[in-house]
Amino acid sequence: DAGVIQSPRHEVTEMGQEVTLRCKPISGHNSLFWYRQTMMRGLELLIYFNNNVPIDDSGMPEDRFSAKMPNASFSTLKIQPSEPRDSAVYFCASSLGGLNTGELFFGEGSRLTVL
Amino acid sequence: SQQGEEDPQALSIQEGENATMNCSYKTSINNLQWYRQNSGRGLVHLILIRSNEREKHSGRLRVTLDTSKKSSSLLITASRAADTASYFCATDARYGSGNTGKLIFGQGTTLQVKP
Repeated sequence: DAGVIQSPRHEVTEMGQEVTLRCKPISGHNSLFWYRQTMMRGLELLIYFNNNVPIDDSGMPEDRFSAKMPNASFSTLKIQPSEPRDSAVYFCASSLGGLNTGELFFGEGSRLTVL
Repeated sequence: SQQGEEDPQALSIQEGENATMNCSYKTSINNLQWYRQNSGRGLVHLILIRSNEREKHSGRLRVTLDTSKKSSSLLITASRAADTASYFCATDARYGSGNTGKLIFGQGTTLQVKP
């Protein structure tokens, strides 16, 4: 398997623009997670899905952030409008799911810079 | 609030020495995991230890878990320059008889192994 695939790897945009980050989880994995990593705040869990259904979005910082998982093989994280403080590395991860949260498989991340 | 906190924040050792990193957490857990992150890359799972386990080994890695103290340690023996990376603990928090289903990461320990 190719692992978790994220795109784009790098995105530079201007304040106010819409940003869409994409993720393809590992085939057969039932849980998908979006994390944000910054030097100041470390790794923050934004939202996670189980069987394509959002389970916990309490980490989504503001209404400007939204995430969807229309099917088992694709998820998006959208920021509209973007702000400089959204600059971070955004990671998508997937796991088999189940009763206990097992091993997470991470993508290589999408580095977002908002000018 | 941060579930896991590692110490030290940074560790610098010579090749061949052992490296010990500690993690403390706040709530009851189902399991605790350790991940590694090379600079500019995604996180990679190293080892998972369940709440009913006290010690686990994997190659040069040894993980201990003390649920009474809500703490864990990761020991890397005979370190190599290639072990240079950031190391994170992550907990699968348990509330009541249920499982939150989400993995919360600590701030990480940056390990530098000098050749």
